[in-house]
Amino acid sequence: GENVEQHPSTLSVQEGDSAVIKCTYSDSASNYFPWYKQELGKRPQLIIDIRSNVGEKKDQRIAVTLNKTAKHFSLHITETQPEDSAVYFCAATTRNTGNQFYFGTGTSLTVIP
Amino acid sequence: DAGITQSPRHKVTETGTPVTLRCHQTENHRYMYWYRQDPGHGLRLIHYSYGVKDTDKGEVSDGYSVSRSKTEDFLLTLESATSSQTSVYFCAISPSGATYEQYFGPGTRLTVT
Repeated sequence: GENVEQHPSTLSVQEGDSAVIKCTYSDSASNYFPWYKQELGKRPQLIIDIRSNVGEKKDQRIAVTLNKTAKHFSLHITETQPEDSAVYFCAATTRNTGNQFYFGTGTSLTVIP
Repeated sequence: DAGITQSPRHKVTETGTPVTLRCHQTENHRYMYWYRQDPGHGLRLIHYSYGVKDTDKGEVSDGYSVSRSKTEDFLLTLESATSSQTSVYFCAISPSGATYEQYFGPGTRLTVT
């Protein structure tokens, strides 16, 4: 099955700086890549996603890039704010039966005021 | 948040006892999922359902069973709970068709003593 690796596991940045989280996947058939943000004690919330026919997608301060050849995708957060502090998870799926998601192990982002 | 509820939200039980967790949705989505979340492992799929009475195993299904007799309800049962099943359990839902997104419930924290 699919294997998703996520790096780094922890990341600290100064407020206003950018943060980048990277994920790699193993199954070249994967075609949908979501990113979730999870605050302490809360449920994971979808913040952005990208499909395999697109190389980049932006939504205000967050963006996701996808390199299908290298099988990796990244989350970029610009102008970080303290409320961006959370755990971020990437995932991949092939849209096979049941649309199973395979998640990375998470990145704990801390934005220092 | 999507119309997903989980019950109970917290449970403490003893080793060897049966436990059933309930996921209820009001969105009429076709797909439903059970994940467990543990430190260092991210979210791992236990079982999923692609319709009433249609279920399949995920990557960590041993020791768990599921049932879906109605579109809105997806039950997860631990037949004989073990300490290794102490975890936070999340239910997720996803519509059919061209939409890939999964939306998560609030979670159930289960402690097996």
